[in-house]
Amino acid sequence: AQSVSQHNHHVILSEAASLELGCNYSYGGTVNLFWYVQYPGQHLQLLLKYFSGDPLVKGIKGFEAEFIKSKFSFNLRKPSVQWSDTAEYFCAVTENNYGQNFVFGPGTRLSVLP
Amino acid sequence: DADVTQTPRNRITKTGKRIMLECSQTKGHDRMYWYRQDPGLGLRLIYYSFDVKDINKGEISDGYSVSRQAQAKFSLSLESAIPNQTALYFCATSDPYNEQFFGPGTRLTVL
Repeated sequence: AQSVSQHNHHVILSEAASLELGCNYSYGGTVNLFWYVQYPGQHLQLLLKYFSGDPLVKGIKGFEAEFIKSKFSFNLRKPSVQWSDTAEYFCAVTENNYGQNFVFGPGTRLSVLP
Repeated sequence: DADVTQTPRNRITKTGKRIMLECSQTKGHDRMYWYRQDPGLGLRLIYYSFDVKDINKGEISDGYSVSRQAQAKFSLSLESAIPNQTALYFCATSDPYNEQFFGPGTRLTVL
């Protein structure tokens, strides 16, 4: 079965530090990839997504992610974090275009210190 | 107005009680999903529905049932609630490109 792993359970950074959150998935076929963010007390919101084309994907709020097929990875990056980026981040994968195998990673909690 | 709404937002109940969580959407999507979120486990799929007549079990369907009353409504029921069903429950809908849109969540506590 498809699985998604995220490298860090909790990341603590100071403002202006660079961020990279790791995500790896297990399926070897065609995938759609997503990063969602959950701010404290809120629902999940889409940060960015990859379906095909340029493996470097830009999302909202200065986030980007790079799909590396050979490494089954879809790491999330931001060059300079802000206190308002404090949230939980979830990587998610579907293994085809039908959506029924939409699998989430366990999440990475990001705390940004002012 | 929110595209995906859930009621109630918070619920405390006792072991053995029947509970229904409701989800409504105005996005016009055919696909709807129920997830539960537990700390450190991310979101796990309970049930999903691709249209009114198509309902499928997800990863953790035991102890849950669903009803798709209309394209816009998808309800989750706990027939006899137990404490380990204490969690945050999210409803979601998806478009043909699989992007999922989430409701605000229902925090359920089973005593």
